[in-house]
Amino acid sequence: QKEVEQNSGPLSVPEGAIASLNCTYSDRGSQSFFWYRQYSGKSPELIMFIYSNGDKEDGRFTAQLNKASQYVSLLIRDSQPSDSATYLCAVSDLSGGSYIPTFGRGTSLIVHP
Amino acid sequence: SQTIHQWPATLVQPVGSPLSLECTVEGTSNPNLYWYRQAAGRGLQLLFYSVGIGQISSEVPQNLSASRPQDRQFILSSKKLLLSDSGFYLCAWTAGGQREQYFGPGTRLTVT
Repeated sequence: QKEVEQNSGPLSVPEGAIASLNCTYSDRGSQSFFWYRQYSGKSPELIMFIYSNGDKEDGRFTAQLNKASQYVSLLIRDSQPSDSATYLCAVSDLSGGSYIPTFGRGTSLIVHP
Repeated sequence: SQTIHQWPATLVQPVGSPLSLECTVEGTSNPNLYWYRQAAGRGLQLLFYSVGIGQISSEVPQNLSASRPQDRQFILSSKKLLLSDSGFYLCAWTAGGQREQYFGPGTRLTVT
């Protein structure tokens, strides 16, 4: 049974600060990693994906992958109140012709003015 | 661009009644399609996925079933709903051979 672990939070940061969200996974052979943002009552939205060790930046978001330590993180720079949401980490592997993700339970982020 | 639709958006059904939720994808061919359930305060649970018409894989035993009658249509059904079937039902898709998965707007089901 593959596992993806996240701290449920809430993580509370002031506006303008860097929010750091972490995720660990159990399957050392996993190759694909994703971060989703889910606002209350809404469906998850894909915001970042990373497939290679290192950092990947997109605007205020940076995904970091360390396969040796089996963790992936998401940094949000200049956090805004609109970033307040639950962030889901997902790890995906190929099975039966389809990529099948395993999701963590999510970390709740609160950005306060 | 690709768009995914789900309906209805919300649904209240009595225990023992049937269920049919529909998902359609526009702007792509031969997508992989997925059904998830997210119960209150819990994580996303994969229910079914499909790599093509008539091809359904089930991830967990339950009283739900899925069908894919057309390339871009995925249907989730039940003959008799249970209270435990309440939750947020999400359809998702990936382009064939791709890894990034995108979700539809979801259906919130309450079984009373």
